Amino acid sequence: NAGVTQTPKFQVLKTGQSMTLQCAQDMNHNSMYWYRQDPGMGLRLIYYSASEGTTDKGEVPNGYNVSRLNKREFSLRLESAAPSQTSVYFCASTRIRQDTDTQYFGPGTRLTVL
Amino acid sequence: GNSVTQMEGPVTLSEEAFLTINCTYTATGYPSLFWYVQYPGEGLQLLLKATKADDKGSNKGFEATYRKETTSFHLEKGSVQVSDSAVYFCARSQGGSEKLVFGKGTKLTVNP
Repeated sequence: NAGVTQTPKFQVLKTGQSMTLQCAQDMNHNSMYWYRQDPGMGLRLIYYSASEGTTDKGEVPNGYNVSRLNKREFSLRLESAAPSQTSVYFCASTRIRQDTDTQYFGPGTRLTVL
Repeated sequence: GNSVTQMEGPVTLSEEAFLTINCTYTATGYPSLFWYVQYPGEGLQLLLKATKADDKGSNKGFEATYRKETTSFHLEKGSVQVSDSAVYFCARSQGGSEKLVFGKGTKLTVNP
């Protein structure tokens, strides 16, 4: 049981390049999330998916797109990377849609945009 | 704006010292409250939680009590260890859903 996995661990992009961050969970969880973590800002929600086939914007969605490919996988795409998107990206999942539920996090992807 | 406010870091303590990290929140209704911990180079993991007023969450010697009257959820530990060095995030549930709002994090360093 690997939990939440993310690839890649590190990535360097040039401004304008595109890339997709991959996330998968093997816990049969329903909801999945993408966050970014910046110094002094805590974690901010980019997008989330309450179930397979549905996605919704979070606090900072501009410049990103997501795909909930199936129940296991939730990818985050940067179509045209900008230096402001330099950050550490975390994927997370929860089993059920209740406010008492625990979020399980992946190890993160450290992205640098030059 | 951010509706979870936690004390600014960094916090540096000696081993066996007492730890308090303050956290207050604003919300309508009664959210669930959480403390997550992030060890160096890792993702966040749940440390403890409380889902209703006056509940006390506890784990690994850490405790926090859900105080409705002061809208607070302060994290405490009686005797910290070097292995407790990490960043601690306070969070609350959002709008009765499983989404979370996080504080900015407090970095704790414990020296031997």
